[in-house]
Amino acid sequence: AQSVAQPEDQVNVAEGNPLTVKCTYSVSGNPYLFWYVQYPNRGLQFLLKYITGDNLVKGSYGFEAEFNKSQTSFHLKKPSALVSDSALYFCAVRDMGGGSYIPTFGRGTSLIVHP
Amino acid sequence: EAGVAQSPRYKIIEKRQSVAFWCNPISGHATLYWYQQILGQGPKLLIQFQNNGVVDDSQLPKDRFSAERLKGVDSTLKIQPAKLEDSAVYLCASSPTRGTNEKLFFGSGTQLSVL
Repeated sequence: AQSVAQPEDQVNVAEGNPLTVKCTYSVSGNPYLFWYVQYPNRGLQFLLKYITGDNLVKGSYGFEAEFNKSQTSFHLKKPSALVSDSALYFCAVRDMGGGSYIPTFGRGTSLIVHP
Repeated sequence: EAGVAQSPRYKIIEKRQSVAFWCNPISGHATLYWYQQILGQGPKLLIQFQNNGVVDDSQLPKDRFSAERLKGVDSTLKIQPAKLEDSAVYLCASSPTRGTNEKLFFGSGTQLSVL
């Protein structure tokens, strides 16, 4: 069965500092990996995805994520955090083959950026 | 383009009552998903439709939950009778196809409180 782990319930960072939100995954085949962001009282919005190719993926609002196959990780990063980045972030995985096709989400990480 | 529409936005009911949620996906999207998001947890897939057929409903509590997408466009999720533990946000999402590299487009959700 596929699964996603987001080990931190909350990440705190000062505005202007770099941020990292961690995600590890488990699939039987090769993964498609996604990051979504959820602002209060809103649905999830797509940020970026890894399908194949370059391990560093760039997405919306200056976010990027690095795929590391040996560590089965897909950490979300941003060089300089903004207060407006404060939100819930969800990592999701889909199995390319040999497993479930349904998207599985992690439990989410609350990012708080302090002025 | 118009996004995924959901209604109602909020619903408060007493346990053992019935409730229904409505979703209209993005025009042309063949795949529709219903997710349950309990406070502090990531979204959990309840059911996935491809056009008007069910692809996966393995996590749908079929003794009380039902869903339909009769014409392959909009969809209704029903709970009958509701339990306290059904309090959650119900998210509808759609994608052009069921391809595993597809991102999902989410609605704003229906927040259900069961008293």
